[in-house]
Amino acid sequence: RKEVEQDPGPFNVPEGATVAFNCTYSNSASQSFFWYRQDCRKEPKLLMSVYSSGNEDGRFTAQLNRASQYISLLIRDSKLSDSATHLCVFGVSARQLTFGSGTQLTVLP
Amino acid sequence: DTGVSQNPRHKITKRGQNVTFRCDPISEHNRLYWYRQTLGQGPEFLTYFQNEAQLEKSRLLSDRFSAERPKGSFSTLEIQRTEQGDSAMYLCASSSQGLFWNEQFFGPGTRLTVL
Repeated sequence: RKEVEQDPGPFNVPEGATVAFNCTYSNSASQSFFWYRQDCRKEPKLLMSVYSSGNEDGRFTAQLNRASQYISLLIRDSKLSDSATHLCVFGVSARQLTFGSGTQLTVLP
Repeated sequence: DTGVSQNPRHKITKRGQNVTFRCDPISEHNRLYWYRQTLGQGPEFLTYFQNEAQLEKSRLLSDRFSAERPKGSFSTLEIQRTEQGDSAMYLCASSSQGLFWNEQFFGPGTRLTVL
């Protein structure tokens, strides 16, 4: 089983739509969870951390389910600028992060 | 620009040659990381430095790969006797030291093509 599994997509959604991504992880010792985004031919950038109780940042909501070992990202009111590859990331330690392969999102006008 | 910088941005080399990449982290960050990313995959961890000490190395880092951070500032990643399978984007990231985890800021990467 892969350490991190994500649906590669692509997800093509119209502007204003709500879209959700899930990601499962296999290492039960994981302690930190994140969503990064990566624009084409650019470096990854932190989108948001994922906390045990779930957290929201504007149009973005992240959830963590430790029992089922998955995290999710919900994007409401999609913007053209949300088009990117969304990478789920987890860390067993503060140093080593493990990235998923990413889910490609395209928001269409 | 006070972000992470990497040089060169692109490198084309012939199989068997040695290549060296440089990473300059954000100045106040004492943690530095190297990752490799191939098309359609997420970044894969290679190695980690805290100041000048190399504290973790992935099994992906074969004997042909070596990384240094001699003064705890910039770092270099050298690949000896390059192979076509080494073709990838090599990303550097840095972070400050916190109790557990601090955001890793990535540089633009060095794209290596081995012919």
